[in-house]
Amino acid sequence: GENVEQHPSTLSVQEGDSAVIKCTYSDSASNYFPWYKQELGKRPQLIIDIRSNVGEKKDQRIAVTLNKTAKHFSLHITETQPEDSAVYFCAAGHSGGYNKLIFGAGTRLAVHP
Amino acid sequence: DTAVSQTPKYLVTQMGNDKSIKCEQNLGHDTMYWYKQDSKKFLKIMFSYNNKELIINETVPNRFSPKSPDKAHLNLHINSLELGDSAVYFCASSAGQGAGEQYFGPGTRLTVT
Repeated sequence: GENVEQHPSTLSVQEGDSAVIKCTYSDSASNYFPWYKQELGKRPQLIIDIRSNVGEKKDQRIAVTLNKTAKHFSLHITETQPEDSAVYFCAAGHSGGYNKLIFGAGTRLAVHP
Repeated sequence: DTAVSQTPKYLVTQMGNDKSIKCEQNLGHDTMYWYKQDSKKFLKIMFSYNNKELIINETVPNRFSPKSPDKAHLNLHINSLELGDSAVYFCASSAGQGAGEQYFGPGTRLTVT
């Protein structure tokens, strides 16, 4: 069935370091890959997304890469700051699938000053 | 103005009771969703409606019944509550059926005792 695996489950970095979170999806029909950030006690919020017609997308300190052949996509955060501390979720969906998103299990990122 | 709102924010009830959660969005979106987030933070789609029509119906006990009176509202009624129903329930909305950003509500924390 549809599945998205996400690693690592927890990630601890020093302020200013980079953080990388990796996801693998199983449904080859997937063509939409969003990343959501959820701060403690808050709602998930979209931070960046990528569609299958591009291999990389960047927005300031965050970037996402996609390897469709390998069914991998990754989130890169550079120059991390304490306010980046949150749970990050990757997800996969496809345009013909009623915007049904399959989420990864989440990565708890802690950025230490 | 709150884009996606849910009531109540917290719900504490006993096993066997019936309860409802309400969701409203003022974004003019056509599609709304219910997600369950368990204690391990896993986020899973339950239902989705597009313009009052049920389009996603995951494997959920039939004690859960969604209802969309209009495209701006989506309610979730749960019968005969069980301990395992304890979770945070998020409502979300998106502009259409195609793959795109989903806007989440603040969540309803349901505790069944």
